[in-house]
Amino acid sequence: EPEVTQTPSHQVTQMGQEVILRCVPISNHLYFYWYRQILGQKVEFLVSFYNNEISEKSEIFDDQFSVERPDGSNFTLKIRSTKLEDSAMYFCASNRGPPRDEQFFGPGTRLTVL
Amino acid sequence: AQSVTQLGSHVSVSEGALVLLRCNYSSSVPPYLFWYVQYPNQGLQLLLKYTTGATLVKGINGFEAEFKKSETSFHLTKPSAHMSDAAEYFCAVSDTGNSGYSTLTFGKGTMLLVSP
Repeated sequence: EPEVTQTPSHQVTQMGQEVILRCVPISNHLYFYWYRQILGQKVEFLVSFYNNEISEKSEIFDDQFSVERPDGSNFTLKIRSTKLEDSAMYFCASNRGPPRDEQFFGPGTRLTVL
Repeated sequence: AQSVTQLGSHVSVSEGALVLLRCNYSSSVPPYLFWYVQYPNQGLQLLLKYTTGATLVKGINGFEAEFKKSETSFHLTKPSAHMSDAAEYFCAVSDTGNSGYSTLTFGKGTMLLVSP
């Protein structure tokens, strides 16, 4: 069964460093998403991406964040200058559409900022 | 704006007992509702969903949920708990954002503990 994959599973970085989190969505899916979950808190929407552009973003998704689909398979989340409060589990998700239907989630990347 | 409230961060049941996990939502449009489960060190797996039509929906692993519009609820139930059901459960609502695209709003999650 096709699944969303994410790499790395765990990333440790120093404050101020750039990180790139990688995702491979399910191959025939058209809509892509990033969510994050700070330890002990709820899963929060960051951004959605369709047709090679951002379709929605939350207040969390400020200028420090960017997303890209550099080729036909990868979907990346970049944090330019990490802060301590960026430490969280980051989930990638995708769906085929319509956009309101179920989203398929990856296993997540745990980001630790020291 | 949409929101989801899950009552109880932890629910403990005995194996074989009824499982009831509560979820209330608010949404500015007719909601699409989801329950996801997360096992340790794994991603979110869809248990079931309500979009339109029949208000009682059945999902995987014997779980079901009933959409009650008048109560703005979407509680998750299972008649008989198994040890393998121990996991964290998330209720989510899908709304339409400003651009017309979907965003998922999650509740805080409920950890289900099953004792022998």
